Order: sequence, then C-alpha cells, then structure tokens
Amino acid sequence: GENVEQHPSTLSVQEGDSAVIKCTYSDSASNYFPWYKQELGKRPQLIIDIRSNVGEKKDQRIAVTLNKTAKHFSLHITETQPEDSAVYFCAARAGFGNEKLTFGTGTRLTIIP
Amino acid sequence: GAGVSQSPRYKVAKRGQDVALRCDPISGHVSLFWYQQALGQGPEFLTYFQNEAQLDKSGLPSDRFFAERPEGSVSTLKIQRTQQEDSAVYLCASSLGSAGVGGELFFGEGSRLTVL
Repeated sequence: GENVEQHPSTLSVQEGDSAVIKCTYSDSASNYFPWYKQELGKRPQLIIDIRSNVGEKKDQRIAVTLNKTAKHFSLHITETQPEDSAVYFCAARAGFGNEKLTFGTGTRLTIIP
Repeated sequence: GAGVSQSPRYKVAKRGQDVALRCDPISGHVSLFWYQQALGQGPEFLTYFQNEAQLDKSGLPSDRFFAERPEGSVSTLKIQRTQQEDSAVYLCASSLGSAGVGGELFFGEGSRLTVL
C-alpha cells in the first residue's frame, strides 16, 4: 500500500520568512496530493491540492510543487504570518477505485513574531 | 448544518465497554470515510463507504471495530470491548464524488475517545 513520509516534524520560522514542508510517497499510481492544515483541537481543512498532470499550483501565499519522477511534493508558504501556525499534513491518493487518502505524520509549524 | 457533524465530541469509556460514534456527513455527499488520529500523528484510514456500500474496510484494526451506513447518509462507528490502545480522535470525512471521481474531503471535528 501507499506510504507517505513527511519532514520536518517541527519547523519554526520568523514572521515574514518562507516555510517549506516536503513529502515523499511510494505508490507510483498516486495521482492526487492534498495538503491539510489542522489547528489545535480543530478539524483538518484543505488548503491546497495538486493532481499528477500538473507540476505546480499556487494560491496567494501558498504553493505546491510535484515531482512525479522522484515521487515527492512540497508545500511552500511565503510571507508567513502568525495565523499560519498549525500542524500541516500532506496526503496521497492512489486514484481510480482507491479512494482512501494516506496521510503523512504532520509538521508542526510555528511562526515567531 | 453545512458541515460534517460528529457526536459525541468527547467520550470516556472503561476498558471493555462498547462505544458508538456517529457521523452526519454533508447532505448529498456520496463518499464517507472514517479515520483514526492518535495524539501527534496523522489520520490513519479505517474504512470507506460509497452511499450505503462499504467498499474498503482494510484499515479497521480488529474485528472489534465495525462501521455501517445503512441508508447512505448517517454513519456509525462501533467499537466493542474497548482497549486502552483505542484511545484516539476518530475523524469522519465526506466528499461529493464517488469512486474514481474523487474530490475534496470535508472533515468533522472528531470524536475524542479516552479508554481508562
């Protein structure tokens, strides 16, 4: 089955700096890669996603890049703000007929004011 | 409501008790998922429904875990003879699409189970 590894497990950056979180996956059939943000005690919420026919996707300060050959994808947050502090999870889904998302272990991002 | 609703939000059970966790998905969502999230970990897949059909239960850790969605809307996750290792947050998620269509998963707030 799919295995998703995520690093770093914790990340602290100065407010205004950029943050990068990286994930690798094992199943070459995976074709959908979402990123979820989870604040303490709250539900995971989708912040951005990318499909395997696209190499990069951007939404304001957030971008995701995908390298299918290397089987890794990354989340980039620019101009970080205190409200970006949360746990971020990457995930992968194998695609048609296999609906489950396999999640990484999470990155706790702390923005230092 | 507009989102996925789960109840109870918090449940404390004595070891050996049975528990039932309820999920109300977003109206009209075909797909429903249950995940288990241990403290400091990512959500782990338990089971998946498309309408009332349970298409994947490969993540259920033992035969003490049972899930159903008899009318294709509300789902219940039942855990029999609870053990301490069952302590976790149980997340329910729904999505509009069916298998092969996919789409964004919308999560509930979760049910935090503590087994003493």
